[in-house]
Amino acid sequence: KAGVTQTPRYLIKTRGQQVTLSCSPISGHRSVSWYQQTPGQGLQFLFEYFSETQRNKGNFPGRFSGRQFSNSRSEMNVSTLELGDSALYLCASRTAGAGSSYNEQFFGPGTRLTVL
Amino acid sequence: TQLLEQSPQFLSIQEGENLTVYCNSSSVFSSLQWYRQEPGEGPVLLVTVVTGGEVKKLKRLTFQFGDARKDSSLHITAAQPGDTGLYLCAGGRNNDMRFGAGTRLTVKP
Repeated sequence: KAGVTQTPRYLIKTRGQQVTLSCSPISGHRSVSWYQQTPGQGLQFLFEYFSETQRNKGNFPGRFSGRQFSNSRSEMNVSTLELGDSALYLCASRTAGAGSSYNEQFFGPGTRLTVL
Repeated sequence: TQLLEQSPQFLSIQEGENLTVYCNSSSVFSSLQWYRQEPGEGPVLLVTVVTGGEVKKLKRLTFQFGDARKDSSLHITAAQPGDTGLYLCAGGRNNDMRFGAGTRLTVKP
């Protein structure tokens, strides 16, 4: 079974621009979560999508948004980029149906975003 | 404040030594996962524990889930340079998952 894939792997943008990152989950996984990872803050939860609906949301400003398509693929968008948005953005997928107790997540390789 | 506290934050040891890292919380989790992450890559799932008191072994790695399902430990025997990485624990409750800040392990040859 193919793993979680993320595109692009590397991205360089300038302040004020916007960016869209893409994630394809493991086949059969309906939940996709996004995380921001920086050396100072560690792994911070952005949001989770399940069956095209945002199910959980972390504590990030509205500049960070996402969506999920009917095939479970997900995108996240960051508008009006700031220098502090430079980070590794990770996507993770899991089956996570109602009442799921195992919650195993499988991560993609990440997108390294650099904001200049 | 992290929901999951990992200790130590950094650990540097020589090849062949043993080590234990900890993941503690005041919350009860239905499951707990351990991941290892190498620079520039995503975390890779090592193990999931779900039963209080459960012990799982993965070659030289031994994982234990606390009886109350609030804490966990990872013990590595005879560490090797290939064990170098960031070790993350993650706790699951219902459909919510939270990560610790991680333990950065360096094993010197």
